Amino acid sequence: SQTIHQWPATLVQPVGSPLSLECTVEGTSNPNLYWYRQAAGRGLQLLFYSVGIGQISSEVPQNLSASRPQDRQFILSSKKLLLSDSGFYLCAWSDRDIPWEQYFGPGTRLTVT
Amino acid sequence: GIQVEQSPPDLILQEGANSTLRCNFSDSVNNLQWFHQNPWGQLINLFYIPSGTKQNGRLSATTVATERYSLLYISSSQTTDSGVYFCAVGSNDYKLSFGAGTTVTVRA
Repeated sequence: SQTIHQWPATLVQPVGSPLSLECTVEGTSNPNLYWYRQAAGRGLQLLFYSVGIGQISSEVPQNLSASRPQDRQFILSSKKLLLSDSGFYLCAWSDRDIPWEQYFGPGTRLTVT
Repeated sequence: GIQVEQSPPDLILQEGANSTLRCNFSDSVNNLQWFHQNPWGQLINLFYIPSGTKQNGRLSATTVATERYSLLYISSSQTTDSGVYFCAVGSNDYKLSFGAGTTVTVRA
């Protein structure tokens, strides 16, 4: 069966510090991968998605970037965090043939102070 | 993009009660998912239901794609059913558009 991991689970970072969140998927090959952000407990916003290694599509211009160095690894980064980057970050995967049936990881709760 | 509206925004139930959550969407789609977000934030897949009816234990869902709505039924609710229920639909470019969610509180 497929599993999706995210770390860290929680993170407190000062404004201006860098960020690296990691997501890995097991039990599947060539998945689509997604990063979402959820603010204030509601409303998930798609940030990035990837259909293959090195292929990243950005949905919302912002202070964040994403990379996919390996087939089942997806990384969310920032060079300098802003207060507005605080939120709950969720990684998801889907099968290539059914992109809208997405499965989510446990999430990372980021607080920028 | 596709607009997704969920109702009601909040629902308070007594344990054992039944309830219906509704999801309306603005465009024709061939996909729809229901999720439950537990108090720890985990989004749990309940149903992938582009059309028709599915059941899983005390939960069932019906999607009428031609009329652009889906319903999630919770029967004999339990305290563990508390949380936020989201529906989401996808457009042609891999985007999942989420509704604002229905917050369900089940009281013992």
